[in-house]
Amino acid sequence: TQLLEQSPQFLSIQEGENLTVYCNSSSVFSSLQWYRQEPGEGPVLLVTVVTGGEVKKLKRLTFQFGDARKDSSLHITAAQPGDTGLYLCAGESRSASKIIFGSGTRLSIRP
Amino acid sequence: GAVVSQHPSRVICKSGTSVKIECRSLDFQATTMFWYRQFPKKSLMLMATSNEGSKATYEQGVEKDKFLINHASLTLSTLTVTSAHPEDSSFYICSATSGLFSPHNEQFFGPGTRLTVL
Repeated sequence: TQLLEQSPQFLSIQEGENLTVYCNSSSVFSSLQWYRQEPGEGPVLLVTVVTGGEVKKLKRLTFQFGDARKDSSLHITAAQPGDTGLYLCAGESRSASKIIFGSGTRLSIRP
Repeated sequence: GAVVSQHPSRVICKSGTSVKIECRSLDFQATTMFWYRQFPKKSLMLMATSNEGSKATYEQGVEKDKFLINHASLTLSTLTVTSAHPEDSSFYICSATSGLFSPHNEQFFGPGTRLTVL
């Protein structure tokens, strides 16, 4: 069974601080996606990383795909209250022909 | 582009009744649609995968007779919760993929439907 573990599960920090969320698996993925979900809404795709070692930046968010394509991280610089939400990583498994979602990280940014 | 809608956004029903939830891709043709269930403060739990014109593939532990999925066209999939019980109360979310917008099977999600069974 392919699993994607995210850590931490919950994170509450002060506005302006930096943070990193991790997404780890023992399986190799063809690509990995990050989504953000706000309460009462569906997840929204933030980024897709495809190549091992790839780094993508989206304003204050930096996404990295591990060299072996088994893990990924999301780093947020100078967090803002608008960053609050549930962050989900999702791995594309070509062998299983499916997308596997991580366990989620609930982020709360205090003003 | 790649907008997915769901209807209704909220529904309250009595125990024993059936509820239908619609999922539509508004500006693209979806090759595959997915139905998820989400418990409070938890991640997404995949219920089933459906392709237009074929039977849905259900995940282990999901009763196909309980959760009926119909994928009638490339832009519409429906989930019917039959003989609903209070334990079926949950947030149901659909998503869709498109070969055009999803080179890596990225999913575009609907806004979700909050089902409450009394």
